[in-house]
Amino acid sequence: AQSVTQLDSQVPVFEEAPVELRCNYSSSVSVYLFWYVQYPNQGLQLLLKYLSGSTLVKGINGFEAEFNKSQTSFHLRKPSVHISDTAEYFCAVSLSYSGAGSYQLTFGKGTKLSVIP
Amino acid sequence: DSGVTQTPKHLITATGQRVTLRCSPRSGDLSVYWYQQSLDQGLQFLIQYYNGEERAKGNILERFSAQQFPDLHSELNLSSLELGDSALYFCASSVGAREGETQYFGPGTRLLVL
Repeated sequence: AQSVTQLDSQVPVFEEAPVELRCNYSSSVSVYLFWYVQYPNQGLQLLLKYLSGSTLVKGINGFEAEFNKSQTSFHLRKPSVHISDTAEYFCAVSLSYSGAGSYQLTFGKGTKLSVIP
Repeated sequence: DSGVTQTPKHLITATGQRVTLRCSPRSGDLSVYWYQQSLDQGLQFLIQYYNGEERAKGNILERFSAQQFPDLHSELNLSSLELGDSALYFCASSVGAREGETQYFGPGTRLLVL
């Protein structure tokens, strides 16, 4: 089974400051990694995903994440945040191979990012 | 807008009742996933359908069931409702059932059981 740990439940940060949201995962098999964002009263939107190749993945809205296999981490970063980035961010994993053809997502508990003017 | 629609947006009902949540996937998507988001359990996978057939089950209670119809829309049926079933229920769709595919989430149905 896979599990995802998001180490910070809440992260306050001033506008235009950098931010890092931490994600660690545990799995006995190879997984793919995802970051989703949930704005208030909305569904989840994909920010970025890591499947293979370069360990630095760039996503939408200026976010990027780095896959670190040895540390089983997939931290999300943004060099300068805006008020509009205030939202909840979810890290997730899915199997990279499933004989049953099912690739459901296993989510972390989420990190609420609050950008302070 | 992800292209995934869910109805109703809000649902208030009483314990012991039965409700049906509806999901229409993005045009052309064959896979539908259902997730439950609650304060204590977080986001959890419930069940997946692919082209009308059940593909995988997660932490879905026996009181809950789902199906996917020939037009690919899906319904999640929740019966004998309990207070603890109050949650946000999301539907997501993907093109197929392949590794690494992006799942597109609908806006969710917020269920309140009183």
